[in-house]
Amino acid sequence: EAGVVQSPRYKIIEKKQPVAFWCNPISGHNTLYWYLQNLGQGPELLIRYENEEAVDDSQLPKDRFSAERLKGVDSTLKIQPAELGDSAVYLCASSSGVGELFFGEGSRLTVL
Amino acid sequence: GDSVTQMEGPVTLSEEAFLTINCTYTATGYPSLFWYVQYPGEGLQLLLKATKADDKGSNKGFEATYRKETTSFHLEKGSVQVSDSAVYFCALSLNDYKLSFGAGTTVTVRA
Repeated sequence: EAGVVQSPRYKIIEKKQPVAFWCNPISGHNTLYWYLQNLGQGPELLIRYENEEAVDDSQLPKDRFSAERLKGVDSTLKIQPAELGDSAVYLCASSSGVGELFFGEGSRLTVL
Repeated sequence: GDSVTQMEGPVTLSEEAFLTINCTYTATGYPSLFWYVQYPGEGLQLLLKATKADDKGSNKGFEATYRKETTSFHLEKGSVQVSDSAVYFCALSLNDYKLSFGAGTTVTVRA
């Protein structure tokens, strides 16, 4: 069974440019998460979806970040415009609702 | 708020040495506790978990016991291998939906 798939794995952009990350969760997992991992730190939750509904987006900086999960399956996280401080790894995870989270390999963003 | 504090790294060991990574937590309720591991070039994966006080989680030779009296969940392995080189994250969850992670501890095992 395929795991959580994220793309791109690496992205380098200049500040003020937009960027988007895509995530395809494990089949059948209704819960999808986006986490931010800064260098040397643990992941921090940005947003959690139950099917297509964002049920916890309290940590998402809504002035420049947006996310969607239109059909309750794959999801896109967008940053527009990107700032230098957005350089980090963006992790997607999914779960069946209770217990273990399954993480993708992450998308590493570098903003120049 | 709810949080975990884990031992700072990096930790460098020789093969067959004993590994301990300390983790303590602060929580308003009774959390579930987890250890996740991230091998080089791979995503985070669950190593073990414990859902209530005195529970012991174990996997791949690693163990951790949920100690309510000391609010701790220390990770141990009696004899490490080079393949155990990774970043280890302690985490807690109060509702099974949101994980709060520690900063991670990088472990390097030398042959």
